[in-house]
Amino acid sequence: DGGITQSPKYLFRKEGQNVTLSCEQNLNHDAMYWYRQDPGQGLRLIYYSQIVNDFQKGDIPEGYSVSREKKESFPLTVTSAQKNPTAFYLCASREGQGVADTQYFGPGTRLTVL
Amino acid sequence: AQSVTQPDIHITVSEGASLELRCNYSYGATPYLFWYVQSPGQGLQLLLKYFSGDTLVQGIKGFEAEFKRSQSSFNLRKPSVHWSDAAEYFCAVAPGSGGGADGLTFGKGTHLIIQP
Repeated sequence: DGGITQSPKYLFRKEGQNVTLSCEQNLNHDAMYWYRQDPGQGLRLIYYSQIVNDFQKGDIPEGYSVSREKKESFPLTVTSAQKNPTAFYLCASREGQGVADTQYFGPGTRLTVL
Repeated sequence: AQSVTQPDIHITVSEGASLELRCNYSYGATPYLFWYVQSPGQGLQLLLKYFSGDTLVQGIKGFEAEFKRSQSSFNLRKPSVHWSDAAEYFCAVAPGSGGGADGLTFGKGTHLIIQP
């Protein structure tokens, strides 16, 4: 059963802590993405990776870091430098090499800073 | 840079009535356009997409969308809505050959409410 999994579903962080959100896909897709969703704001691109061992900044990379050591995994770390980390985080992967190819989304992780 | 505008934050439609959700884009070249749907607390599911050819695109769940270059629009339609269509709908554009960051640019979404 192919798809994208994100864990945990809910995550609570104290001020000053780094946290890592997991994203795994078994779709054999090369490209993977992280988006942030805030109420009434749509989705905004944080980082993306088109291939293993390579990743690029998106529109809002400040306070975040990523790695892509394996094709199926693209974890996102929310660092203490991110001033307003409370949001819904969505991971996606793209089925082909072209920008018109479909992106498939995971179920998301809701991060709340206490 | 490309941008997407969804003018309606909320739309309320009676069950069985027709639906049209508006989407306008700003992009220099021929855009690649998408409509996604999101149920509360869930990820996004692709309804349909346009990248070339026929300007009327058919999607899943009975949805369709029409690309109108002259109006820079890609409106989503459904002839008869069901209560299960209540969700958040996002229009998105992908970068073309002009470069820029990979990834989709999303509108802010339209919240669809279905009245019984």
